[in-house]
Amino acid sequence: GENVEQHPSTLSVQEGDSAVIKCTYSDSASNYFPWYKQELGKGPQLIIDIRSNVGEKKDQRIAVTLNKTAKHFSLHITETQPEDSAVYFCAASYDKVIFGPGTSLSVIP
Amino acid sequence: EPEVTQTPSHQVTQMGQEVILRCVPISNHLYFYWYRQILGQKVEFLVSFYNNEISEKSEIFDDQFSVERPDGSNFTLKIRSTKLEDSAMYFCASSGSGQHTEAFFGQGTRLTVV
Repeated sequence: GENVEQHPSTLSVQEGDSAVIKCTYSDSASNYFPWYKQELGKGPQLIIDIRSNVGEKKDQRIAVTLNKTAKHFSLHITETQPEDSAVYFCAASYDKVIFGPGTSLSVIP
Repeated sequence: EPEVTQTPSHQVTQMGQEVILRCVPISNHLYFYWYRQILGQKVEFLVSFYNNEISEKSEIFDDQFSVERPDGSNFTLKIRSTKLEDSAMYFCASSGSGQHTEAFFGQGTRLTVV
C-alpha cells in the first residue's frame, strides 16, 4: 500500500521567513496530493492540493511542487505569520487519502 | 459552506463497552471515510465506504469495527468492545468522488477508553 514520508517532523521559523516541508510517496498510482493544516483540537483542513498533471501550484503565500518521477512533493510557505503555526500533513491519494506523519510548524513572532 | 459534522465531540467509555461514533457527511457526497489519530501521531486510514458497502479497509479495521449508513444521511462507526488502545481522535470525511477529489474532514470525536 501507499506509504508517505514527511520531513522535518518539527520546524521553527522566524516570522516573515519561509518554511519548506518535503514529502515522498511510494505508490506510483497516487495522483492527487493534498496538504492539510491541523490546529489544536480540530480536524485536518485542506489548504492546497496538486494533481499529477501539474508540477507546481501557488495560492497566495502557499505553493506546492510535485516531481512525479522522483515521487517527491513539497510545501512552501512564504512570509510566515504566527497564525501559520500548526501541524501540517502531506498526503497522497488514489482512492483514499494516506497521510504523512506530520510537521509541527512554529512561527516565532 | 457545507461541512462534515461529528457527534459527540468527546466520548468516555469503559473498556469492553460498545461505542457508536456518528457523522453527517456533506449531503451530495458519495464516498465516506473514517480515520483515526492517536495522540501525537499521524492520521491513519481506517475504512472507506461507497454505495452502501465497504470499499476498502486497513489492518486496523478488524472485526471489532463496523460502519453503517443507516438512514441515508448519517454515517456511523461502531466499536464493539473497546480497548484502551482504541483511545484516539476519530475523524469522519466525505468526498464527492473517491478519486482525485478533496476529502472534507469533520472536527473529530475524541474517544477515551478507561
